[in-house]
Amino acid sequence: KAGVTQTPRYLIKTRGQQVTLSCSPISGHRSVSWYQQTPGQGLQFLFEYFSETQRNKGNFPGRFSGRQFSNSRSEMNVSTLELGDSALYLCASSFRQGNNEQFFGPGTRLTVL
Amino acid sequence: QQQVKQSPQSLIVQKGGISIINCAYENTAFDYFPWYQQFPGKGPALLIAIRPDVSEKKEGRFTISFNKSAKQFSLHIMDSQPGDSATYFCAASSPGGSYIPTFGRGTSLIVHP
Repeated sequence: KAGVTQTPRYLIKTRGQQVTLSCSPISGHRSVSWYQQTPGQGLQFLFEYFSETQRNKGNFPGRFSGRQFSNSRSEMNVSTLELGDSALYLCASSFRQGNNEQFFGPGTRLTVL
Repeated sequence: QQQVKQSPQSLIVQKGGISIINCAYENTAFDYFPWYQQFPGKGPALLIAIRPDVSEKKEGRFTISFNKSAKQFSLHIMDSQPGDSATYFCAASSPGGSYIPTFGRGTSLIVHP
């Protein structure tokens, strides 16, 4: 069974640009959550999608948004990039909403210059 | 406000020794306490988890000890191996149909051969 895949794995952008990250969950998993991981703040929850609807949202500005498609694949968008957005963005999938057993992808390393 | 405090930040253990990582939480509504293992370039992987109705859970060389009254839980790695060298994160979440974990800051474990 294939794991969670994230594309691209590495990305370099400049301040003010916008970026879209993609996540394909494990087959059969319908919940997708996004996390930001930085050395300073650690792992922080961004949002969770289930059945194409955002179910939960963390404490991040509106520049961070996402969506989920009917095949459960999810995208995350960050607009007007800031230097502080440089981080590893992780996607995790689970069978259903609120399922504690999450499976993480390898992440997308975003560098903002 | 850091709701889950993890210590130590780094840990060096000799092969065959016991690695102990501690976490303390504040929110008494937390009812699920997982530990994740993360290797460089990879996303976190669920290692073992516990709920407050038990004081200990063991899976192979990994054991979680849970002290509800002290609001603390710890991960013990018995017979530590060089392959266990990774970053370990504790987390905690509360019930209610959503799973939004709060993560500790992580412990970098190095096991010397």
